[in-house]
Amino acid sequence: AQSVAQPEDQVNVAEGNPLTVKCTYSVSGNPYLFWYVQYPNRGLQFLLKYITGDNLVKGSYGFEAEFNKSQTSFHLKKPSALVSDSALYFCAVRDPPSTWAGGTSYGKLTFGQGTILTVHP
Amino acid sequence: DAGVIQSPRHEVTEMGQEVTLRCKPISGHNSLFWYRQTMMRGLELLIYFNNNVPIDDSGMPEDRFSAKMPNASFSTLKIQPSEPRDSAVYFCASSFAGGSAIDGYTFGSGTRLTVV
Repeated sequence: AQSVAQPEDQVNVAEGNPLTVKCTYSVSGNPYLFWYVQYPNRGLQFLLKYITGDNLVKGSYGFEAEFNKSQTSFHLKKPSALVSDSALYFCAVRDPPSTWAGGTSYGKLTFGQGTILTVHP
Repeated sequence: DAGVIQSPRHEVTEMGQEVTLRCKPISGHNSLFWYRQTMMRGLELLIYFNNNVPIDDSGMPEDRFSAKMPNASFSTLKIQPSEPRDSAVYFCASSFAGGSAIDGYTFGSGTRLTVV
């Protein structure tokens, strides 16, 4: 089964400093990796994805993520943190499509446990 | 597009009552997912549909939970009878799946369910 792990429950950084939120994955085959952010009392919002291509993926709000196949990691990064970046961040992996007798099943997303990012003024 | 629309936003009910959560996916999306979020268990996939057909319901906790998708623009998640341990935020999400598309989901704002 495909899975992701977020080893840190919480990350604290000062505004203006670089931030990293860690994610490692375990998949069979090619990984399809995603990052989502959740603000209080809101649904999850898509930040970025890695499907194939460049190992550095750029996304929304100045975030980027680095895919590292040898370390099976997909860490989320931002060069300069903002207080408004404080939120809950989820890493996710999507199952690849599979064809079966009933048709094609497009893979589901499996989420990590989430990391609370707090950016201090 | 108004995005994925869930109703109600909040629901407080007594133990034993039936609860129905509703979701309207984004027009043109053909996959729909129901997730449950709690502090203890994080985000759990309950069930998902492709082209209105349930594909995987292995995450549905027990027979008290049921989900339907009668057409491409509407889905319900029903809990009958409800129990206090069902208290959580329930999210609906949709995406387009076609060919080799590997897209993420668009989430609704969720329904916060409290069973007392």
